[in-house]
Amino acid sequence: GDQVEQSPSALSLHEGTGSALRCNFTTTMRAVQWFRKNSRGSLINLFYLASGTKENGRLKSAFDSKERYSTLHIRDAQLEDSGTYFCAAEATSSGSWQLIFGSGTQLTVMP
Amino acid sequence: EAAVTQSPRNKVAVTGGKVTLSCNQTNNHNNMYWYRQDTGHGLRLIHYSYGAGSTEKGDIPDGYKASRPSQENFSLILELATPSQTSVYFCASGDAPGRNTGQLYFGEGSKLTVL
Repeated sequence: GDQVEQSPSALSLHEGTGSALRCNFTTTMRAVQWFRKNSRGSLINLFYLASGTKENGRLKSAFDSKERYSTLHIRDAQLEDSGTYFCAAEATSSGSWQLIFGSGTQLTVMP
Repeated sequence: EAAVTQSPRNKVAVTGGKVTLSCNQTNNHNNMYWYRQDTGHGLRLIHYSYGAGSTEKGDIPDGYKASRPSQENFSLILELATPSQTSVYFCASGDAPGRNTGQLYFGEGSKLTVL
């Protein structure tokens, strides 16, 4: 089965509200990255975490390797936050660490 | 600021035609990657490289070739394009040592449509 399970697959928020995205892992991951694909199609780096939490503006991410999950919290959502969000985790493969992507969360922020 | 640029950004090709997607990075990273992203899927690894002259098969290499002529450049080649290769392709460079992925820096994507 998939090593990275991302949820929800789609999410609608009104401006000013917040929510959380989650990735569950079926095995121990070394680190996790979060990306946003914006309306122009560009992949934007949001966070890279080997452990703990990081915060940047209205976004906050957490990674718990032992409990095998990572979250991305969005607060005070704005229209420009709309896009597809991906998590990607580093898993061992043939002796090295390689990225495995979640299937993405399509976020729509409404006025 | 990490810089990865892809070209072309948009391409329409005919079935059976040859397509080359180019990627240039100014990060001096050893590792470079080509992914494709389709609706409902995460990014899937096609080919990658650990340095000039090296190419390695990723998870979905069939129908694709890769070329790494220099540290800065990594190309993805579709010798005989098929409609199933219609997708958005992302190039990335990585700053981890050895064969680890580490933190990736992505280009802006290349949208390929094969008719």
